Amino acid sequence: KQEVTQIPAALSVPEGENLVLNCSFTDSAIYNLQWFRQDPGKGLTSLLLIQSSQREQTSGRLNASLDKSSGRSTLYIAASQPGDSATYLCAVRNNAGNMLTFGGGTRLMVKP
Amino acid sequence: GAVVSQHPSWVICKSGTSVKIECRSLDFQATTMFWYRQFPKQSLMLMATSNEGSKATYEQGVEKDKFLINHASLTLSTLTVTSAHPEDSSFYICSARTFLAGRLISSYNEQFFGPGTRLTVL
Repeated sequence: KQEVTQIPAALSVPEGENLVLNCSFTDSAIYNLQWFRQDPGKGLTSLLLIQSSQREQTSGRLNASLDKSSGRSTLYIAASQPGDSATYLCAVRNNAGNMLTFGGGTRLMVKP
Repeated sequence: GAVVSQHPSWVICKSGTSVKIECRSLDFQATTMFWYRQFPKQSLMLMATSNEGSKATYEQGVEKDKFLINHASLTLSTLTVTSAHPEDSSFYICSARTFLAGRLISSYNEQFFGPGTRLTVL
């Protein structure tokens, strides 16, 4: 059974810092991996989707990498802003089915 | 991009009543819809997967007679929480996926999430 872990569970940084969020998964036979953002009391916004054959994806100040063999992904946020404050969720889809398995999330607070 | 809506966004009900939550794909046909539950400060847990026109597949530990799922059309799925109790209070999120590649839809079976429904049972 796939298990997804995110470290750290919570992170507080001053505005302008570059930061890295970590995601690890136990079964490396994944189809793809997706990073989401969730604001309090809201649904999920998809940030980046990385296919198993890809190494990274970029969107604006966000860069997600994937090392499938070691079961790891990182989300890099450059020049963080207070508006980046949210919970970031990592989810993987495995080959055996189509369900997404979510990590516990990282609650990020960027202080002005 | 593809849009998924949920209704209502927030509901409060008395213990013992039933509550229906709707999930709609607004601009694409969803061959598969997923229902998730999220408790405060926790991640999403998949409850069930439903394919249009067939019975939902429930995850282990989810009571199918309590959480009734209907996916009668390619744009609508409903989750009915029957005889709700305070422990059912949670944030319920649906997602939709299609195998049909098109202008709006990735060919990688990407799931699109609704905004969620906050259920509070008194």
